[in-house]
Amino acid sequence: AQSVTQLGSHVSVSEGALVLLRCNYSSSVPPYLFWYVQYPNQGLQLLLKYTTGATLVKGINGFEAEFKKSETSFHLTKPSAHMSDAAEYFCAVRVDYKLSFGAGTTVTVRA
Amino acid sequence: GAVVSQHPSRVICKSGTSVKIECRSLDFQATTMFWYRQFPKQSLMLMATSNEGSKATYEQGVEKDKFLINHASLTLSTLTVTSAHPEDSSFYICSARISSGGAKEQYFGPGTRLTVT
Repeated sequence: AQSVTQLGSHVSVSEGALVLLRCNYSSSVPPYLFWYVQYPNQGLQLLLKYTTGATLVKGINGFEAEFKKSETSFHLTKPSAHMSDAAEYFCAVRVDYKLSFGAGTTVTVRA
Repeated sequence: GAVVSQHPSRVICKSGTSVKIECRSLDFQATTMFWYRQFPKQSLMLMATSNEGSKATYEQGVEKDKFLINHASLTLSTLTVTSAHPEDSSFYICSARISSGGAKEQYFGPGTRLTVT
């Protein structure tokens, strides 16, 4: 079965600092991987996705993620945090058009 | 493009009553829509997959008689929570998958906050 594990339920960073959110996946087939962001009381917005090809994926709002097959990881980074990055972030793997989500990581940004 | 709406955004109902939540794809056709449930501070759990013109496929543990799903058109799916109880209080989110093209991405609605008193 395919699944994702997000390491760290809460990450606190200073404004301007690096944001690093960790995601490891388990998949018996080449995975389609996604990162979503959720603001309070809202739905999910796609940040970026990996399907095939280039392993470094750039998304919206300055986020990027690197697919590392050897480490079964798909960590999300942003070089410089902004106050508006405070939100919940979900890593997900898609199998047969169904998305399976990680537990989520709450990001808080300190001024 | 690829906008999904949900109505209502918030609903409060009394225990024992039923409530209907609508999910619409506003600018694309969606043969498949998905319904998720999210408890506070938790992840999204897939409840069911809704296919236009056919019966929904429910995930294990989800009561199909309690959570009625209808996907009557390519732009509308509804979730009806029947005989709601306080434990059904949750954030319900739908997503819709574009019918044509290769990407087949899921686009998410803004969610519906259900509170059962």
